[in-house]
Amino acid sequence: NAGVTQTPKFRILKIGQSMTLQCTQDMNHNYMYWYRQDPGMGLKLIYYSVGAGITDKGEVPNGYNVSRSTTEDFPLRLELAAPSQTSVYFCASRENRGGGYEQYFGPGTRLTVT
Amino acid sequence: AQSVSQHNHHVILSEAASLELGCNYSYGGTVNLFWYVQYPGQHLQLLLKYFSGDPLVKGIKGFEAEFIKSKFSFNLRKPSVQWSDTAEYFCAVKFRMNTGFQKLVFGTGTRLLVSP
Repeated sequence: NAGVTQTPKFRILKIGQSMTLQCTQDMNHNYMYWYRQDPGMGLKLIYYSVGAGITDKGEVPNGYNVSRSTTEDFPLRLELAAPSQTSVYFCASRENRGGGYEQYFGPGTRLTVT
Repeated sequence: AQSVSQHNHHVILSEAASLELGCNYSYGGTVNLFWYVQYPGQHLQLLLKYFSGDPLVKGIKGFEAEFIKSKFSFNLRKPSVQWSDTAEYFCAVKFRMNTGFQKLVFGTGTRLLVSP
């Protein structure tokens, strides 16, 4: 298993541009998550999905959109990039069973908006 | 609101020193607790987790953590650190929201630097 993969690894955007961060997992996990990591702030949940076709907002969803057309893929869309969206973005997925669980993280995408 | 606090933002230790990183959370209900580690340039990896049972949990690479319910704490420990333990450490707590969704809340992280 490749686990959780993300592309691209790095990206520089100009203000107002748009882009899609890709996330794919091959573990047949229903649950998937997008986080952003800012220095000294820990990880904040942007959006999550409990299965194909079902998504919901996390703590910091403004400026982002997601879709989940398949179990494997959970892309994150930035429509009008702003400097405040400069961050490292992590995608994660978790096992389907209930109770305590572990989230598996991708390698991250470092995004700079100038 | 549920929150997770890590009071040590930066820790510098010499090799073979003992380590204890604090983690406190603000929720009186049932929780699951995790410590993740992020080595330089890498993604987050699970060090250990607590679901129930023995409050002293052993993880990978000689790390352990103790869940003290009365103190809402889940401190991470290692008796003797190595240079390769240099990393950022995140405490995370799983809360169940009113909607039924189980949310993982992360602390702000502790950067550990181990000098050889």
